[in-house]
Amino acid sequence: GENVEQHPSTLSVQEGDSAVIKCTYSDSASNYFPWYKQELGKRPQLIIDIRSNVGEKKDQRIAVTLNKTAKHFSLHITETQPEDSAVYFCAASIGDTDKLIFGTGTRLQVFP
Amino acid sequence: GAVVSQHPSRVICKSGTSVKIECRSLDFQATTMFWYRQFPKQSLMLMATSNEGSKATYEQGVEKDKFLINHASLTLSTLTVTSAHPEDSSFYICSAAGWGKTLYEQYFGPGTRLTVT
Repeated sequence: GENVEQHPSTLSVQEGDSAVIKCTYSDSASNYFPWYKQELGKRPQLIIDIRSNVGEKKDQRIAVTLNKTAKHFSLHITETQPEDSAVYFCAASIGDTDKLIFGTGTRLQVFP
Repeated sequence: GAVVSQHPSRVICKSGTSVKIECRSLDFQATTMFWYRQFPKQSLMLMATSNEGSKATYEQGVEKDKFLINHASLTLSTLTVTSAHPEDSSFYICSAAGWGKTLYEQYFGPGTRLTVT
């Protein structure tokens, strides 16, 4: 079945450094790739997304890149701040449906 | 982003009882609502897909008779956990999907923490 792998599972960075989280997906028909940030006990919040007709998208300190050939997509956070500390989930659509499969999550810790 | 509410936020029930969780999209019409389950420190696992006015579609391994889903309108879906057992204790999150300003997007509710004693 469809699968999304996410690495690393934990990531610790110093404030101001960059953080990169990578995901791979198995369904070549996937066409929507959102990233969610989830703080402890709270709902996942959509922080950025990308569709298959775009290779890169940026929103202030956050960027996402997509390599459809390799079935990879990555989240890049620059100039990290302590408030960026949370669990980040990548997801991929199941084919061109609106159902999502989630990665296993990355716990990001930004130390002041 | 869109606003999705979920009620209750926390519920404790005794084994054998049933619990109903409501999910509402407050500011847009959700053509589809999804129900997820999340265990501590784990990812979100899709349980079922709910479309307004039709039967829910359940993912493999999810018991449809145990997790009853009703999607009565474009703004309300309910999940009823029937004859709950301690292993049903989990964080249940709904999401509502529909057309935002320009894109088709999915937004999550705040979740319901169910504890079955």
